[in-house]
Amino acid sequence: AQTVTQSQPEMSVQEAETVTLSCTYDTSENNYYLFWYKQPPSRQMILVIRQEAYKQQNATENRFSVNFQKAAKSFSLKISDSQLGDTAMYFCAFIHSGSARQLTFGSGTQLTVLP
Amino acid sequence: DVKVTQSSRYLVKRTGEKVFLECVQDMDHENMFWYRQDPGLGLRLIYFSYDVKMKEKGDIPEGYSVSREKKERFSLILESASTNQTSMYLCASSVNRGGSTEAFFGQGTRLTVV
Repeated sequence: AQTVTQSQPEMSVQEAETVTLSCTYDTSENNYYLFWYKQPPSRQMILVIRQEAYKQQNATENRFSVNFQKAAKSFSLKISDSQLGDTAMYFCAFIHSGSARQLTFGSGTQLTVLP
Repeated sequence: DVKVTQSSRYLVKRTGEKVFLECVQDMDHENMFWYRQDPGLGLRLIYFSYDVKMKEKGDIPEGYSVSREKKERFSLILESASTNQTSMYLCASSVNRGGSTEAFFGQGTRLTVV
């Protein structure tokens, strides 16, 4: 079974600065997808960014980018030019290719952007 | 926009009550999920449904059951609520197109069992 580990329960960053959230995972599979989801306070969980394991190029979405290290099973999220609206709980998640069943989530990192 | 709607944001129920949590999605998604969210534990899958009347147990199905009589609606049932079921419950849906598909979440139901 796969596991997803987020070792930073809480982090803070100054507005306009850059922050990196860590995620490691464990799987014996070769084909899978990795995701970062964001859960703002009292709001719905939304997808931030997605990475296909077979792609070597790191995914980017505006100020959000990932550092995907397949051999190390590491999938970190970098937020550049942090904004107050980035304050949220961030979850790393994993799913096998060909399966829409169980998304496995990490325990989450609470990010606070300070003015 | 995909919309996943959970019937209640907050619920307070008594121990031993039968509790129904309802979830409706409006994008004709095949897959629907119920997760439980607890601090420090992330999201844990309770049940999953990939079609009408079809269901699979997730990681923590004990004490819960589900119903999916229509494609757009997925209900979570607590047969006899207990205090250890006090938690945030999240419903999600996705298209059945392999692992690449994004899951869309409802706003969550915070259930307190007293």
